[in-house]
Amino acid sequence: GAVVSQHPSRVICKSGTSVKIECRSLDFQATTMFWYRQFPKQSLMLMATSNEGSKATYEQGVEKDKFLINHASLTLSTLTVTSAHPEDSSFYICSARDRGAKNIQYFGAGTRLSVL
Amino acid sequence: KQEVTQIPAALSVPEGENLVLNCSFTDSAIYNLQWFRQDPGKGLTSLLLIQSSQREQTSGRLNASLDKSSGRSTLYIAASQPGDSATYLCAVTYGGATNKLIFGTGTLLAVQP
Repeated sequence: GAVVSQHPSRVICKSGTSVKIECRSLDFQATTMFWYRQFPKQSLMLMATSNEGSKATYEQGVEKDKFLINHASLTLSTLTVTSAHPEDSSFYICSARDRGAKNIQYFGAGTRLSVL
Repeated sequence: KQEVTQIPAALSVPEGENLVLNCSFTDSAIYNLQWFRQDPGKGLTSLLLIQSSQREQTSGRLNASLDKSSGRSTLYIAASQPGDSATYLCAVTYGGATNKLIFGTGTLLAVQP
């Protein structure tokens, strides 16, 4: 099946630093990728929809200046958490939609962000 | 508001039992429904996908059914094993195929050896 690679898998950083997370579709082109956040013992909440070559669409309550998304190619989307604070600590998961496979979304393995 | 709810929130069963996980959605105009498995601290593994025109899908010991009119889906796991222990999430795609997934609240399953 299709593979989505997410990197890094774990990040520990100091408060105030910025962290970049990459999401790559390895064997298909993804014009649309999605970024989710998951707090402990909760379900996944969509943060934003990333469209190749255009601005991302953010869900209500998600700060676009805080969570910068870039989707510069058909196989790569990045999420940058700017000036991270402890409350940003969470599990971030990306997915990529394969238009050639009935728009099925394939998920990355997730990134555990811990802000000290 | 489009919401997806899963019952129960947690379930513990002895090994070998058959079990059913439930998922309900408020808006029946879905495009498809997926069941995922998530192990602690890990990403998602897709288990089954049911298109809106389908009634059920089967994969090994797993069987998922879909009743759009009542806004419900069930995931049946036969002969449960300790390795089935995980959180099970259902997710619905509304409207057209290009829309986002809305995830349910999840069911934490523990299969006791």
